[in-house]
Amino acid sequence: DAKTTQPPSMDCAEGRAANLPCNHSTISGNEYVYWYRQIHSQGPQYIIHGLKNNETNEMASLIITEDRKSSTLILPHATLRDTAVYYCIVHNYGQNFVFGPGTRLSVLP
Amino acid sequence: GAGVSQSPSNKVTEKGKDVELRCDPISGHTALYWYRQRLGQGLEFLIYFQGNSAPDKSGLPSDRFSAERTGESVSTLTIQRTQQEDSAVYLCASSRGLGFEQFFGPGTRLTVL
Repeated sequence: DAKTTQPPSMDCAEGRAANLPCNHSTISGNEYVYWYRQIHSQGPQYIIHGLKNNETNEMASLIITEDRKSSTLILPHATLRDTAVYYCIVHNYGQNFVFGPGTRLSVLP
Repeated sequence: GAGVSQSPSNKVTEKGKDVELRCDPISGHTALYWYRQRLGQGLEFLIYFQGNSAPDKSGLPSDRFSAERTGESVSTLTIQRTQQEDSAVYLCASSRGLGFEQFFGPGTRLTVL
């Protein structure tokens, strides 16, 4: 079973920041938070991951709360091409990934 | 470099026939995964391979499903006596080790008539 809870859907205006929340209240100390997304008719795409520090790359930023029980994926300037299902996953090296239902983000013009 | 490739991209078959789906992982990736995704639904884990270890088959839905991997290269997923409920996109992913970020192929869309 997935160890995360995400809202089923969200809307965001084009050009605005998209903030996607994820709850993982049972996360253990050595488990990482991963984010993937799946654009329609394509395979999932890795976005970013982190352990406890905030992370940023060319695609997004990941903000993890101090207690690590929740995190937020931030797309700073959403475009129509960012419309996708976003999956938040917690796991440890040596374990398999478990994909939950994710959040369907719709970026609106 | 080349990503994960899968073939065929589309497969239409009749109920009761056997099908074989192929996955070519990224060179050097020791872990390989198979997932199933039914229309409008999330990813369903089927099986993974890690190096020379015994594969984790815990996600295979029935004994009609099997998979093989030759060393750390190509993998094939075989579905015997296909049923209409097997219709789905079958996704393959590889990673440089179990638990590292996975790189997905484009998938094979299987339609069982």
